[in-house]
Amino acid sequence: GQNIDQPTEMTATEGAIVQINCTYQTSGFNGLFWYQQHAGEAPTFLSYNVLDGLEEKGRFSSFLSRSKGYSYLLLKELQMKDSASYLCAVIDSNYQLIWGAGTKLIIKP
Amino acid sequence: IAGITQAPTSQILAAGRRMTLRCTQDMRHNAMYWYRQDLGLGLRLIHYSNTAGTTGKGEVPDGYSVSRANTDDFPLTLASAVPSQTSVYFCASRTGVDRASEAFFGQGTRLTVV
Repeated sequence: GQNIDQPTEMTATEGAIVQINCTYQTSGFNGLFWYQQHAGEAPTFLSYNVLDGLEEKGRFSSFLSRSKGYSYLLLKELQMKDSASYLCAVIDSNYQLIWGAGTKLIIKP
Repeated sequence: IAGITQAPTSQILAAGRRMTLRCTQDMRHNAMYWYRQDLGLGLRLIHYSNTAGTTGKGEVPDGYSVSRANTDDFPLTLASAVPSQTSVYFCASRTGVDRASEAFFGQGTRLTVV
């Protein structure tokens, strides 16, 4: 079967750095997305990785290792507005999206 | 403004009633999806459509039906609502399933079945 694992919840301090991990086992791989979802709102796109390595976009970076079936989202200089759920999604060999359950990130002052 | 719109935004529905959740996009995306999101379970796919005129069953299709008469609209129907269908429903669209395209989401419909 297809499976994506993320931690259920993480807590971090304002101004700090946090890494949210995602591991996946899917039938094929055509890329991995990270989405941010604030409470009561729709998910919004953060990043896309298809090649191994780190993609940096401002305070957010996303890393991919295809051989390990592993990705992480790195958030730097955390702000209170970063409190949200972060969803990992993989595109499989049929170009369908497979979603993880999401990681709820709690930022404390 | 281009995007994807759902209606209604919230609804309280009596069990046994029929309900259609509407979803419209103006981005000319081929692929559309209906998800339900419950606490701790993430997004679960109900039905999908890879292109107008075709539909398919997702992970949790029972009790739901969809149609895709044209590119823009993808309504989701609950034939006879039950309390377990209380959830937040998201409609999403992608350019297509022939490439690694991101999903765009509607604002969601919060449905309570009582």
